Amino acid sequence: EAGVAQSPRYKIIEKRQSVAFWCNPISGHATLYWYQQILGQGPKLLIQFQNNGVVDDSQLPKDRFSAERLKGVDSTLKIQPAKLEDSAVYLCASSGSGGGDTQYFGPGTRLTVL
Amino acid sequence: GENVEQHPSTLSVQEGDSAVIKCTYSDSASNYFPWYKQELGKGPQLIIDIRSNVGEKKDQRIAVTLNKTAKHFSLHITETQPEDSAVYFCAAPRGGAGSYQLTFGKGTKLSVIP
Repeated sequence: EAGVAQSPRYKIIEKRQSVAFWCNPISGHATLYWYQQILGQGPKLLIQFQNNGVVDDSQLPKDRFSAERLKGVDSTLKIQPAKLEDSAVYLCASSGSGGGDTQYFGPGTRLTVL
Repeated sequence: GENVEQHPSTLSVQEGDSAVIKCTYSDSASNYFPWYKQELGKGPQLIIDIRSNVGEKKDQRIAVTLNKTAKHFSLHITETQPEDSAVYFCAAPRGGAGSYQLTFGKGTKLSVIP
């Protein structure tokens, strides 16, 4: 079974530029999560999707971050404009249903904002 | 919301010795406690989890114990091997019982010295 796929793996941009990350969850998984992991810290949930609907985006900085999951499969996370403090690893995870199932993580995208 | 404290932040053990990592949580309604292992350049991988209806769970060299009264849970790794070297994260549900929006601890960097 293929795991969670993410691209790109690395991205370097300058502040005020925009960037987008892509995630393809495990086939059949209805729930998709985006996390931000700053160096030396644990992952922090940004947004949770159930199929193509948003369950929780209370920790997403909506003035600059946006995410969508069209058709309930792939998802993209966008930052516009980026700030220095957005430098982090952005992790995507998926699980089989809204509760109780293991979250499987992708390898992440390491973003560096200069 | 949930607050998860994890100790120690770093841990060095000799190969073959045991390692113990402890976490405390704040929401007494939380009922699901996973542990993740993260190797350099990879996403977190679930290694064991426990639900609140049991006090202990084992899987080969790994065990987790839960004390709901004291609101803490611990990861025990016996007969440590060099490949156990990684960062370990505990987590608890951010939204309380029935929620799987995880709040992670800050991580423990485990080094197993051959």
